[in-house]
Amino acid sequence: AQRVTQPEKLLSVFKGAPVELKCNYSYSGSPELFWYVQYSRQRLQLLLRHISRESIKGFTADLNKGETSFHLKKPFAQEEDSAMYYCALSGTSYGKLTFGQGTILTVHP
Amino acid sequence: DTAVSQTPKYLVTQMGNDKSIKCEQNLGHDTMYWYKQDSKKFLKIMFSYNNKELIINETVPNRFSPKSPDKAHLNLHINSLELGDSAVYFCASSQEGVSAEAFFGQGTRLTVV
Repeated sequence: AQRVTQPEKLLSVFKGAPVELKCNYSYSGSPELFWYVQYSRQRLQLLLRHISRESIKGFTADLNKGETSFHLKKPFAQEEDSAMYYCALSGTSYGKLTFGQGTILTVHP
Repeated sequence: DTAVSQTPKYLVTQMGNDKSIKCEQNLGHDTMYWYKQDSKKFLKIMFSYNNKELIINETVPNRFSPKSPDKAHLNLHINSLELGDSAVYFCASSQEGVSAEAFFGQGTRLTVV
């Protein structure tokens, strides 16, 4: 069975502070991990995926298979980063996504 | 030139009614999905279709019936609506492949009164 856990429902930081959104997963095979983001009044969209190993909008995420984690990090948060963030796992070729509960990030000025 | 579009955006209806939500994608993807987002913002897959064939049915009540007339469309019909069906329903599409990006519609907020 696939399971994704985001332990923080709400996360508040000040502009310029580092931010880390936690994500842990459970999956018996070799998963593909993603972070999706939903900004206010916008549709859910891909932020980054672990296979790409890229930094998007200053965010990075490293897959740690030993700890079964895929935490999202940014060294200096910006106000425009305020959004709902979902960690997601795909373990099948048809791309079915199992989502975590989501974390609402608020960056204060 | 919206990639994944769903209609309607908002739907308010009484218990017991039957309603449909339509979804269309112009990305040429083979796979389409319906997800349900509950009041706590938890997103869970309901159905997945690949080339018009049902691939995933996540123990959704029989009152929910998806229909895919072609691979660019995946509609969701709901019979005998219940209060608990109130949620935001998202349509999505992707290429095949475990690392494929999913593209989401803007969501349909269904309110059953």
